[in-house]
Amino acid sequence: GDSVTQTEGQVALSEEDFLTIHCNYSASGYPALFWYVQYPGEGPQFLFRASRDKEKGSSRGFEATYNKETTSFHLQKASVQESDSAVYYCALGENTGYQNFYFGKGTSLTVIP
Amino acid sequence: GPKVLQIPSHQIIDMGQMVTLNCDPVSNHLYFYWYKQILGQQMEFLVNFYNGKVMEKSKLFKDQFSVERPDGSYFTLKIQPTALEDSAVYFCASSWGVGAETLYFGSGTRLTVL
Repeated sequence: GDSVTQTEGQVALSEEDFLTIHCNYSASGYPALFWYVQYPGEGPQFLFRASRDKEKGSSRGFEATYNKETTSFHLQKASVQESDSAVYYCALGENTGYQNFYFGKGTSLTVIP
Repeated sequence: GPKVLQIPSHQIIDMGQMVTLNCDPVSNHLYFYWYKQILGQQMEFLVNFYNGKVMEKSKLFKDQFSVERPDGSYFTLKIQPTALEDSAVYFCASSWGVGAETLYFGSGTRLTVL
């Protein structure tokens, strides 16, 4: 079945460091890919999406590029801030007659000021 | 962005009682979901619901769980009877549903079963 794998469970960085969170997916069809961010005590918030190969999604300085060849959608940010500390989820959405949605395990990002 | 409202934000009940969690999805959305998150752990899919029917459910969606959305009102998750392991935060989500559309989440209901 479809699945999403996030390699890093926890990431700790200093402010202004470069961020990469790896996301790989497995899907039988041609899914849409998403990044969500979850702050403590809140529900996941949609960050951005990409729907086709080589499309770049971006928001708030975060970006990721849909790569069908490597089945990846890695999240990057050039310079993180303390306020970016949160849990980040990669997700996959397929329309198989009804909509299926799969989340990765999440990556907890801590940015140290 | 679009808002999904969940009522209540916290619920404490005794084991064996019934509980209903309410969700007011985005007004023109067609697909509805429940996810469960135990403190400090990942979100886990419970069920999705479309056109008045459960389309898919996970093994976490026990026989004691049920969902409905009568007449376009709240989308509800009912647990009857509750068990200690049902303690978690339950997130409702909705989407327009055409071509893998974006899911929008509520802020969750923290359920504590004593």
